[in-house]
This record gives sequence, structure tokens and C-alpha cells, in this order.
Amino acid sequence: DAGITQSPRHKVTETGTPVTLRCHQTENHRYMYWYRQDPGHGLRLIHYSYGVKDTDKGEVSDGYSVSRSKTEDFLLTLESATSSQTSVYFCAISESSAGKGYEQYFGPGTRLTVT
Amino acid sequence: DQQVKQNSPSLSVQEGRISILNCDYTNSMFDYFLWYKKYPAEGPTFLISISSIKDKNEDGRFTVFLNKSAKHLSLHIVPSQPGDSAVYFCAASAPGTASKLTFGTGTRLQVTL
Repeated sequence: DAGITQSPRHKVTETGTPVTLRCHQTENHRYMYWYRQDPGHGLRLIHYSYGVKDTDKGEVSDGYSVSRSKTEDFLLTLESATSSQTSVYFCAISESSAGKGYEQYFGPGTRLTVT
Repeated sequence: DQQVKQNSPSLSVQEGRISILNCDYTNSMFDYFLWYKKYPAEGPTFLISISSIKDKNEDGRFTVFLNKSAKHLSLHIVPSQPGDSAVYFCAASAPGTASKLTFGTGTRLQVTL
């Protein structure tokens, strides 16, 4: 299994509070991604990174920010959590090249509840 | 706009029989397709992939078929086993997009004894 950890694994927070989720990899992969999974929606991309300090928005980026100061760490921040951000969040990594394929490998997920 | 669609939310198959999971896509720029398997409380696990230059890829009990003209792919599992019970997601990637994946909504497969 790819070396990907997410912390915390579970979190309950109140509306309006800031929350930061951490993704840590030991694979030295260039690309990192944050997704959320909600019933009826599958997995939707929030933000992704294509290198240290290089990030871009995904499909559902409103209300989220990210940072990547080191290859191994990708942080997702909810500046002011809302109930609509209650979800399961997954981090993924990819080596991503034509020769190696475009597979992404996922972490175990963080279940976030905003009350 | 759902670019990747899995129209069957669930599927039940008897152990030993074939499971066929279907996926349709609308974006003709997609050139790489993947299937993921997900158990409850775990992250998705990569299962099998196919490039648009092929129409079939096989790995053990799992085969993915791609019909580009119909913009359709399917995953065949033969024979199905109880451990295959999970949610299956198809995903697609377009070139030059940092390998961003667009996922379908998933199909829950239940393999019964």
C-alpha cells in the first residue's frame, strides 16, 4: 500500500470554527489531491497540488484552501466550517506520467462533522 | 454536468457468477479510465485501468472493456466472490490535467452466497 496517512481520522467541530486536515505521504509523489465524498455525488475534487507551493482549484473549492510547503505534506483548511462541509475527506497521491499511468492512491479518509 | 455516470446505484450477484458494472462518459477528451473499489470506512483502492488506445485490459478475475464510440466502459468480475462486495467507482482522466480524475457516483455490488 502507498504510504499515505491522514490526520485526524475523525473530527467534530462547530459551525464557524477553522479546521485543518493533514495529509502526509512517504512515496515522494509529485501530485497530491483532496476529495470529498458525499452520498449521491461520488468523489469530488476540492484542490490539488502539482508540486511544492503549486496548487490549483478543483470542482468544489469554495470555502476551502490548501497549502503544500513540503513534498510530503498537503494541508486542507476550512476557514470557517459550515454544516454543508460535513463529509468524508480523502487525500490522494499520484506519480502521474504517461509511462507510469495516472493512477491515484488514496489515504484512509477523515470523517468531519460540523455541528 | 455529470461527465462520468454510473446509472446503476446497486447490483446484486450470486457468488461464482459474473458481475458487470457499467460506466458512461460524455467528455471525448478523456483518454484514461480507472476502476476503484471502496470498502466502508476505508479509502478507495485502485483496481484496474485502461488507456483509450486499448479496448480491453485484464487482470486476474477483473477485465475492463472500453467502447470509445459509445463512450462506455464496463468492469467484469468473474467469478464473483463475497469479498468483492463493495462500492465500485469508475473514473476518467484527460491529458494535460495533472491527472485529475473525474469520478462517477459509484455502484454498490453485493455478492450473495
